[in-house]
Formats: sequence, C-alpha cells, structure tokens
Amino acid sequence: QKEVEQNSGPLSVPEGAIASLNCTYSDRVSQSFFWYRQYSGKSPELIMSIYSNGDKEDGRFTAQLNKASQYVSLLIRDSQPSDSATYLCAVNDNYGQNFVFGPGTRLSVLP
Amino acid sequence: DTAVSQTPKYLVTQMGNDKSIKCEQNLGHDTMYWYKQDSKKFLKIMFSYNNKELIINETVPNRFSPKSPDKAHLNLHINSLELGDSAVYFCASSRYGGESETQYFGPGTRLLVL
Repeated sequence: QKEVEQNSGPLSVPEGAIASLNCTYSDRVSQSFFWYRQYSGKSPELIMSIYSNGDKEDGRFTAQLNKASQYVSLLIRDSQPSDSATYLCAVNDNYGQNFVFGPGTRLSVLP
Repeated sequence: DTAVSQTPKYLVTQMGNDKSIKCEQNLGHDTMYWYKQDSKKFLKIMFSYNNKELIINETVPNRFSPKSPDKAHLNLHINSLELGDSAVYFCASSRYGGESETQYFGPGTRLLVL
C-alpha cells in the first residue's frame, strides 16, 4: 500500500518568511512527484512537479527531491497571505496511472 | 473556456437514492480520473480511464460505476447512496496518463447524503 505522509499543520509563517513543506513517501518505485495547492472550497491546482534528485526552482517556489531518503519538500520564499492554502504532495508510480496524494499541509501566512 | 467541468456542483440527496455526476474535459486529453475528497480533506483516487478503458479501479464499492461514452466524458453513477458517500468528488484529466503527466482538476461536486 503506497503511503504519502505530510504534517497536517497548520503551519503559520509571517509574511515575507520562507515556508517549508515536507512530504515522505513509502514506495521506492515512485518516479514523479507533484505539489498541488488547494484553496478552501476549490479544486487542487499544480504548483510544481519534480522527477530528478535535487532542486527545481520556479519563481518563489523551490521543490527538493531526495529519492534515497524518499523525501520531497516545497519551499515558498517571500510568503504572501495569498499563499495561505492547503498544499498536497502527490507521487506517481513507474506505470503512471496511480497518483497517491498525501493528506495535505495547511499553510497560513500571517500579514 | 472551462477545461474540466462537472455537474452538478452541489448534490443533496437521501440515503438509498441513485445519483449521477457528469464530467467533461475539452483539453483533448486521453486519461480521466475520479477522486473522492472526504471531510478530512484526504484526496483518494477512485477510477482512472484511458481512452474509454478502465485502467485503475481502487477498492471502491461496486455501487460506484463509472461510464465513459467517449474520451472527453467520464460520468460517475452511484447506487444506493450511503451517509459515508458524503464528500467532494473531483474529476480530473491528463494528456496521456504517463507518470510525468499533470492532472487538471474540475471544480468538484459536493455530495451530501442525508
């Protein structure tokens, strides 16, 4: 049974700070990793995807992947109140059909 | 233009009824999915269809039956609704269903079973 773990939060950070969101997964064959943002009452939307070990940056967002430790993280620099949402980590297996989502971490950015 | 649409947006019904949720995507994607998000916000895949063929059927009660008349549509029919079926149901699609494919989600259908 594939599992994806995240701290449920809430994680509170002041505006302008760096928010660090963490995710671990149990299945070693997982190949693709995604971070989705979900505002309350809305559908998930993709923030970042990462497939190789190391860092991937996109604007204020940086995803970090360490397959040996089965760990993926998302850093949000210069956090804004509009970043307040639930962040869902998702992993996909080598066959591509089975997305498994974590329970999500609720982020609150305080003005 | 809405990429992935679902109807209805809200559904309130009595236990034991049968209901359907419709999903359509205009992205030209080959793969469509149904997810259930419960009150604890856990998003769990239910079904995955690729070009109208069932690929994944997680441990979902057989009261849930997906129907894909063509690759742009994936409807979900639920028989004999139970209280525990209350959740938000999201439809999603991706281009090919490969491991690196981004999924695009519909707005969700909020189902409340009384």
